[in-house]
Amino acid sequence: EPEVTQTPSHQVTQMGQEVILRCVPISNHLYFYWYRQILGQKVEFLVSFYNNEISEKSEIFDDQFSVERPDGSNFTLKIRSTKLEDSAMYFCASSEGSGGPYEQYFGPGTRLTVT
Amino acid sequence: AQTVTQSQPEMSVQEAETVTLSCTYDTSESDYYLFWYKQPPSRQMILVIRQEAYKQQNATENRFSVNFQKAAKSFSLKISDSQLGDAAMYFCAYPLYRAGNEKLTFGTGTRLTIIP
Repeated sequence: EPEVTQTPSHQVTQMGQEVILRCVPISNHLYFYWYRQILGQKVEFLVSFYNNEISEKSEIFDDQFSVERPDGSNFTLKIRSTKLEDSAMYFCASSEGSGGPYEQYFGPGTRLTVT
Repeated sequence: AQTVTQSQPEMSVQEAETVTLSCTYDTSESDYYLFWYKQPPSRQMILVIRQEAYKQQNATENRFSVNFQKAAKSFSLKISDSQLGDAAMYFCAYPLYRAGNEKLTFGTGTRLTIIP
């Protein structure tokens, strides 16, 4: 069964550094998402992406964040200058369509640790 | 704003027994979906079951069923004949649709332990 994959599984970086989290969505999916979960807190929506542009972003998704689908298969989340509070699990998801019948398929997550 | 609340951070159940996980939500919409996602340790979240709000009948998927009370804005998950593989974090989620776009609002999750 097709799966969403994410790399790396764990990323440790120093405050102020740039990080790129990578995701390979399911191949025929058209909608792509990033969520994050700070330890002990709920999973929060960051951004949705469709037709090569951001559809919606949360207030968390400030100018330090960007997303890209560089080559038709990967979907990346870049954090330009990491802060301690960016430490979290980051989940990528994709779906074939948007709306109730369509399920969002999640990747296993990347644990980002900012020191 | 849509909110989702799971008041049970942890639950445990004896293998083969039945357990119910609670979820309440708040929305001003009249037609919507609700989801339960399962996240096994170190694995991705997978959709367990979904409920359409306009359907009176509670959704069922094998051993998983929901008790959907629209007026009370309650959406609990019942797992019958619990198995060791059911051990996971369970998240209740509300999808919000705007202009063809969907984003999920999650509860804080319930960690379910199965006792052999």
